[in-house]
Parts: sequence; C-alpha cells; structure tokens
Amino acid sequence: DQQVKQNSPSLSVQEGRISILNCDYTNSMFDYFLWYKKYPAEGPTFLISISSIKDKNEDGRFTVFLNKSAKHLSLHIVPSQPGDSAVYFCAASGNTGNQFYFGTGTSLTVIP
Amino acid sequence: EPEVTQTPSHQVTQMGQEVILRCVPISNHLYFYWYRQILGQKVEFLVSFYNNEISEKSEIFDDQFSVERPDGSNFTLKIRSTKLEDSAMYFCASSVLQGTDTQYFGPGTRLTVL
Repeated sequence: DQQVKQNSPSLSVQEGRISILNCDYTNSMFDYFLWYKKYPAEGPTFLISISSIKDKNEDGRFTVFLNKSAKHLSLHIVPSQPGDSAVYFCAASGNTGNQFYFGTGTSLTVIP
Repeated sequence: EPEVTQTPSHQVTQMGQEVILRCVPISNHLYFYWYRQILGQKVEFLVSFYNNEISEKSEIFDDQFSVERPDGSNFTLKIRSTKLEDSAMYFCASSVLQGTDTQYFGPGTRLTVL
C-alpha cells in the first residue's frame, strides 16, 4: 500500500543546474506535504512544506510545487550545490491523522 | 538549536530478546512519534503519542511493541520479543502540534536482530 511514490530512486545533476525531484500520491485526503532531506547516519531533516490550499511555496533555493488534480508534487532546487547531495523524501499527511506517509526517497547527487 | 536525540545509535540483540530504544524529544513539543526504515525501503509510521496515550498506530505496531514516557523527558519504544524482521533504523520524532505540524526527527537507532 504505497500512498506516496517517488519513482526515481536516484538523480544526478551538475552543480549550478536545477534539480527536480518528483512525488506522486494516491490519497485525495492528503492536504499537507513536506520534503525531508536525509544524510547517511542521520535522521530526516525538514526542508520545506506546502498545504493543499497553495500550489507553490518557495524558500530560498528550494521551491515546492503542488498539482492537486494530478496528485503530484515536485521539489526544485536552484542552483544545485554539492552539499545538496542527500536522499530526499516526500511525505504527506491528511487532516484526520498524525502520521506522515513517506515515499521511498530519491538519492540526489550534485556533481561539482 | 533544539534537537531530538536518540540512544543508543546502534543496538545488536538476539532474536527473542527485549529491546528498549530511547528518545529525548524537543522540550516544548507535545506530540511524539516512532517511525522505522527497513534498509532500502521507505520510512514507515509506527505510532504517535500524546498526553501519555497512544493517539494513532499503524498495523506494524502490534502487541510486541509498546511506548512509554516514563518521565518528563524520555520517550521509549519497547520491542518485547524481537524478530529478525525487526532489524531496521528506528526514528523518533516530535512536534509542537498534531496533524500538519512539522515533525522533527532524531538521528535514529539502528537495530540489528541476529
């Protein structure tokens, strides 16, 4: 039962270019979405979030886009930096519960 | 900056043994969570805890699991009789509010069941 999917297990991008990480979800009750970043041997670190009343949220180099009709969200990182190399998890939550449903993650490598 | 801490960082145990994983959530947070990540798989929700009670749990959180807040700072996950398939990273998280509030994660405890 995979309610949140990240279909690309890995992504390589040249430093300075844009990184686009994608996430799809199946549950139409989800109304809050987050991106977490995870380095090896560390816990997930909150990066950016978006609620379903918006279609875009921006924080510095990071922008999250939400397409509710397609049940799709994406994370854009511009410009990408080598320190951005990590595993990125998409997570979603509905207003009736506390738990977040995570995708399987996308490993981003930014090449200097 | 306040952070969630977890101990131990790595626990090795024999199948059938009991383990207790410990977490210290961020001090002003009221909601606490356990997640696990089996190697190569997604992060999975186990349980949420508020006001000394379980508020939500997943199918994974069966009778062999229990959680407790034994004092004002610690939040523990106990696995009564470990199985090989319990081997995973266990992450504790906490948040100020419930629902859509951002959850802050600890560094995780790697549990290896032999």
